[in-house]
Amino acid sequence: AQSVAQPEDQVNVAEGNPLTVKCTYSVSGNPYLFWYVQYPNRGLQFLLKYITGDNLVKGSYGFEAEFNKSQTSFHLKKPSALVSDSALYFCAVRVPNSGYSTLTFGKGTMLLVSP
Amino acid sequence: DSGVTQTPKHLITATGQRVTLRCSPRSGDLSVYWYQQSLDQGLQFLIQYYNGEERAKGNILERFSAQQFPDLHSELNLSSLELGDSALYFCASSVVVQGAEGYTFGSGTRLTVV
Repeated sequence: AQSVAQPEDQVNVAEGNPLTVKCTYSVSGNPYLFWYVQYPNRGLQFLLKYITGDNLVKGSYGFEAEFNKSQTSFHLKKPSALVSDSALYFCAVRVPNSGYSTLTFGKGTMLLVSP
Repeated sequence: DSGVTQTPKHLITATGQRVTLRCSPRSGDLSVYWYQQSLDQGLQFLIQYYNGEERAKGNILERFSAQQFPDLHSELNLSSLELGDSALYFCASSVVVQGAEGYTFGSGTRLTVV
C-alpha cells in the first residue's frame, strides 16, 4: 500500500515569514512525490515534483520541497510567505511499476497567511 | 485554463435521482481519473480509465459507474443519489499511466443533493 500523511490541518503564518507545510509518506519502493495547490472553487494545480536526483526541488510561485528518504518526508517550503499563498495544499505519492498506478493524496493542509 | 474540461460546473438534484458528469481530458492525454472531494473524506480516488479501458478502482460505490469513450472523454454516472453524495467531483488526466508527470485537473463539478 502507499499512503501520505499531512499532520497539520491548518498552518498559520504571517506575511514575509518562512512557511513549511509537512508531508510524510509510506511506500514500498522509490516514490514519485508531488505537491498540488487548490484555490477556492478551483481544481488542483501542480506545484512541483520529486522524481529522482537532487533532493531539493524548486517549483512554481517560489515554492520548494526537500525529499528526505531517511525520514520519508517531503515538506513544502517557501522563504517568504505572501497573502496570496493562502490556499489548500495537497501532497501526493506514487510508486512507479508498483501495483498502484494512481496518485494517492494526503488530506490536505490549509495554509493561511495573514497580512 | 488547465485543458481539462468538466461539465456542468454546478449541479443540484434531489435524493434518488441520477446524474452524469462529463470530462474532456487535456489534448493528448489518454488516462482519465475521477476523484471525489468532501470536507470529511478529503480527496478520494474513484476510478481510472486508460484509452477506453478501466485500469484501477478506488473507493467507488456500486451506485456509481464510469466509462471512457473512443474520443477519450469520460462520464461519471451517479445514481440513487443520497445527501452524502454531495461533494466536489474532479476529473484529472495524464498522458500515460505510470509516467513521471503528475495529473492535470479540471475545475470540478459541485454536486449538491437536496
